[in-house]
Amino acid sequence: RKEVEQDPGPFNVPEGATVAFNCTYSNSASQSFFWYRQDCRKEPKLLMSVYSSGNEDGRFTAQLNRASQYISLLIRDSKLSDSATYLCVVNNDMRFGAGTRLTVKP
Amino acid sequence: DAGVIQSPRHEVTEMGQEVTLRCKPISGHNSLFWYRQTMMRGLELLIYFNNNVPIDDSGMPEDRFSAKMPNASFSTLKIQPSEPRDSAVYFCASRRTSGGKETQYFGPGTRLLVL
Repeated sequence: RKEVEQDPGPFNVPEGATVAFNCTYSNSASQSFFWYRQDCRKEPKLLMSVYSSGNEDGRFTAQLNRASQYISLLIRDSKLSDSATYLCVVNNDMRFGAGTRLTVKP
Repeated sequence: DAGVIQSPRHEVTEMGQEVTLRCKPISGHNSLFWYRQTMMRGLELLIYFNNNVPIDDSGMPEDRFSAKMPNASFSTLKIQPSEPRDSAVYFCASRRTSGGKETQYFGPGTRLLVL
């Protein structure tokens, strides 16, 4: 089993939709969790860290479920500019999931 | 802040040649990571260093790959001899851990094509 697994998508949603991605991890001792965004032919960029109590940044909400060993990213009121690949990172050695491709359409 | 600097940005070489990729991390960052990204395999961690010391090189594909970090401001990833299947984008990233928070930043990557 891979350490970090993501649904590769693609997710195609209309503008204004709410979309959620999950990322499961196998190491129950994992402590650090992050979501990154990667645009086509660009480097990954940190979107947000994921804290135990969950956290929100504008239209983005990240949550951690330790019991089921997954993290989630919720995007509300999606914009065209949200189109990208979203990657989760679990644990101290920064191993990435395969990424979920999101396309927001007008 | 100049960010993570990688060179070259693009490299085209022939099979069998030696390739050296370079990375300058952000000043003050104490960890450095090398990744490889392809469509088929996604973003793979090759090796990472803490305070210039290699911690985990289990992702290094084979002996043809080697990485060094002689000081806090420079690292290299070398492929010798290179093969067509090494074609990928190679990212370097550096991280600062401060107050329990980890902030990792990526360089722009080196696009390698081995013919």
